[in-house]
Amino acid sequence: EPEVTQTPSHQVTQMGQEVILRCVPISNHLYFYWYRQILGQKVEFLVSFYNNEISEKSEIFDDQFSVERPDGSNFTLKIRSTKLEDSAMYFCASSEVPRGTNTGELFFGEGSRLTVL
Amino acid sequence: LAKTTQPISMDSYEGQEVNITCSHNNIATNDYITWYQQFPSQGPRFIIQGYKTKVTNEVASLFIPADRKSSTLSLPRVSLSDTAVYYCLVERNTGFQKLVFGTGTRLLVSP
Repeated sequence: EPEVTQTPSHQVTQMGQEVILRCVPISNHLYFYWYRQILGQKVEFLVSFYNNEISEKSEIFDDQFSVERPDGSNFTLKIRSTKLEDSAMYFCASSEVPRGTNTGELFFGEGSRLTVL
Repeated sequence: LAKTTQPISMDSYEGQEVNITCSHNNIATNDYITWYQQFPSQGPRFIIQGYKTKVTNEVASLFIPADRKSSTLSLPRVSLSDTAVYYCLVERNTGFQKLVFGTGTRLLVSP
């Protein structure tokens, strides 16, 4: 079964450092997303991406965050200068069709756990 | 999007049927009901989606009454591996929508 893969599975960084989280979406999918989940809290939407541009972003996704699809297969989330409160599990997701259709599924990766010290 | 309300937690035993009900009183005509499952330290996983009446797949059934103000996810004969958090979400069938997760229902299945 095709799956979304994420690397690294766990990253520890110092406050103020840049972090890049990588995702390989399912190959025929066109819509890409990042979500995050702080330990013990809800899964929160960060950003959606289609046709090489951001479709929607949440209030969490401020100027410290950026996304890129550098080579047609990877989808990356960059946090420019990490803060303690960025510590969370970051999930990449992809879908074949836009979320506004009734064909169901958003495929999530296993997540990248980011710990900011 | 319609706000969803579901129990914070439920307990069950192996082999039992589990029904988790979600209320979404303000659901709109264009909205679909979707359920996801999440195991600890893993990403959410799609279980089932429906618009009205009943939908069944190999994992679960989803019952939606005529007024669509609630829905019930039914898991037949649960096992220990069904211990997870279950999220009820409402998705609009127009445009490029994000998923909005609530706190979900934490299901604990015991031997």
